[in-house]
Amino acid sequence: QSALTQPASVSGSPGQSITISCTGTSSDVGGYNYVSWYQHHPGKAPKLMIYDVTKRPSGVSNRFSGSKSGNTASLTISGLQSEDEADYYCTSYTTTSTWVFGGGTKLTVL
Amino acid sequence: QIQLVQSGAEVKKPGASVKVSCKASGYTFTRYYMQWVRQAPGLGLEWMGIINPTGDTTNYAQQFQGRVTMTRDTSTSTVYMELSSLRSDDTAFYYCARLSGAYSPADYWGQGTLVTVSS
Repeated sequence: QSALTQPASVSGSPGQSITISCTGTSSDVGGYNYVSWYQHHPGKAPKLMIYDVTKRPSGVSNRFSGSKSGNTASLTISGLQSEDEADYYCTSYTTTSTWVFGGGTKLTVL
Repeated sequence: QIQLVQSGAEVKKPGASVKVSCKASGYTFTRYYMQWVRQAPGLGLEWMGIINPTGDTTNYAQQFQGRVTMTRDTSTSTVYMELSSLRSDDTAFYYCARLSGAYSPADYWGQGTLVTVSS
């Protein structure tokens, strides 16, 4: 199972919006609505931000939203804040009953 | 409160095996799946595998097939991940994380265990 494709880095200024894409295939992203997004600071436990493509866990800011079109899922962060600076990973369930992660995207808040 | 507490850092030689534990508390252990994810230095998160609530079904990522074994002990609410034939590129942080179902997201994670493979 190949890793999902994410941009290596994105950046934005405080208050702006950014979108991170996550491209897979019909065997993973395109085949299931089981896409999640995690915020990760290396060496620390990842934090769930979005699950089932669009759902937000309790306690996660509504500035975070998710969507999907075909084989590509997206995470949008609006009203960027300095605390949003982190690595972001998408993950999807697959036809082999496994999960696969994206390569990760480093978000820089300018 | 829900906690997943992992065992401490390990240093192993190439070819050896390592067994990392993940002790759960604060919830009904036998109702949740557990997965293992790792992150090597400078690289991204990599899914390793999953074990079901009763421990009788596992599913491993293809790249770890034959080298990884996941087990669970309901008497101690602990899940284990054993990786054998260690290589230098197995040096990584290893994380356990619980899922409420096979299709569910991982909502709670362990603190991570650093495994270093070096001669």
